[in-house]
Amino acid sequence: AQTVTQSQPEMSVQEAETVTLSCTYDTSESNYYLFWYKQPPSRQMILVIRQEAYKQQNATENRFSVNFQKAAKSFSLKISDSQLGDTAMYFCAFMKSMGDYKLSFGAGTTVTVRA
Amino acid sequence: EAQVTQNPRYLITVTGKKLTVTCSQNMNHEYMSWYRQDPGLGLRQIYYSMNVEVTDKGDVPEGYKVSRKEKRNFPLILESPSPNQTSLYFCASRRVSSYNEQFFGPGTRLTVL
Repeated sequence: AQTVTQSQPEMSVQEAETVTLSCTYDTSESNYYLFWYKQPPSRQMILVIRQEAYKQQNATENRFSVNFQKAAKSFSLKISDSQLGDTAMYFCAFMKSMGDYKLSFGAGTTVTVRA
Repeated sequence: EAQVTQNPRYLITVTGKKLTVTCSQNMNHEYMSWYRQDPGLGLRQIYYSMNVEVTDKGDVPEGYKVSRKEKRNFPLILESPSPNQTSLYFCASRRVSSYNEQFFGPGTRLTVL
């Protein structure tokens, strides 16, 4: 079974600053997918960014980027130029490349952006 | 609009009173799944379905039932709810291929007294 660990329950950042969320995972799979989801107060689950394990290049989506370290089984999310609308809970998730398409989630990190 | 819908969005019930949370998607997705979200635990998969009449247990299936009689619908049934099933529930769907996005419903907040 895959486990995903987010060691930071809460983080606070000043508007326009940068914040990095950590995520580590445990798997014996060689190929897989990693995701970061955002859950604002509306509770909707929103896909922020995804990474395929066989791709060495780190994924980037506008102000969101990841640092994927396959050997270390680490997948951190960097939010640059933080905005008030980034205030949310962020979940790291893992999915095997083949099988039941189950997403295994971490416990989440609550990010608060201060004005 | 492509979406996953869930009903009801909020439900307060009592122990032992059977309930059903409906889930429907309009994207012709083969795969559907139910998750529950609890503080400090993230989201955990309850049941999933790869296609019509094909369902299987996830990580926390105890106390739940599902059915997949139509491609678009995947109801979650709690035949005898207990307080430990108080949680936030999400339905999700996706196409059956390796890299497609999983779409989530808006969530159902269930309280069992």
